[in-house]
Amino acid sequence: GENVEQHPSTLSVQEGDSAVIKCTYSDSASNYFPWYKQELGKRPQLIIDIRSNVGEKKDQRIAVTLNKTAKHFSLHITETQPEDSAVYFCAASGRGKLIFGQGTTLQVKP
Amino acid sequence: DGGITQSPKYLFRKEGQNVTLSCEQNLNHDAMYWYRQDPGQGLRLIYYSQIVNDFQKGDIAEGYSVSREKKESFPLTVTSAQKNPTAFYLCASSIARPNSNQPQHFGDGTRLSIL
Repeated sequence: GENVEQHPSTLSVQEGDSAVIKCTYSDSASNYFPWYKQELGKRPQLIIDIRSNVGEKKDQRIAVTLNKTAKHFSLHITETQPEDSAVYFCAASGRGKLIFGQGTTLQVKP
Repeated sequence: DGGITQSPKYLFRKEGQNVTLSCEQNLNHDAMYWYRQDPGQGLRLIYYSQIVNDFQKGDIAEGYSVSREKKESFPLTVTSAQKNPTAFYLCASSIARPNSNQPQHFGDGTRLSIL
């Protein structure tokens, strides 16, 4: 069935460093790839998304890249700040629904 | 202020009891979704609805039921058949466009525990 694998499960970086989270999807028909940030006990919030007709998208310190051939997409956060600490989820579209990855807990150390 | 409202925030269920979680949205979205989130895990889809009076099972529908009588409302019932209901339940909604997935917006969630 449809599946999204996300790595790493935990990531610890020093403030100011970059962080990269990677996802792989199985459904070649997937064409929409959002990323969500979830702080402890709160709702997931959309931070960036990309569609299959684009290879890269950037919004200030956040960027997402997509390799459709390899079925990989990645989230890049530059100049990390303590407030970036949260759980990040990737997702891939599939037949009117989203398939989510397992999540990555990002810790940014001051 | 537009958004998705889930209630209650915390809910306790006794053995053999059915409980219903409320989800209301005023975003005029056609599609609504219910997810279950367990500690350290991703979001798993329980049920979703693309239009009023229609809904489909997600990956873990067993022990749950839904209804979609109004566009704004998509209540989830956790039945006594769901033997491990303790989890964080999230409702989401999105615009529904044919062949085009749209961003999903989430509510604040309901935390369900067994007494």
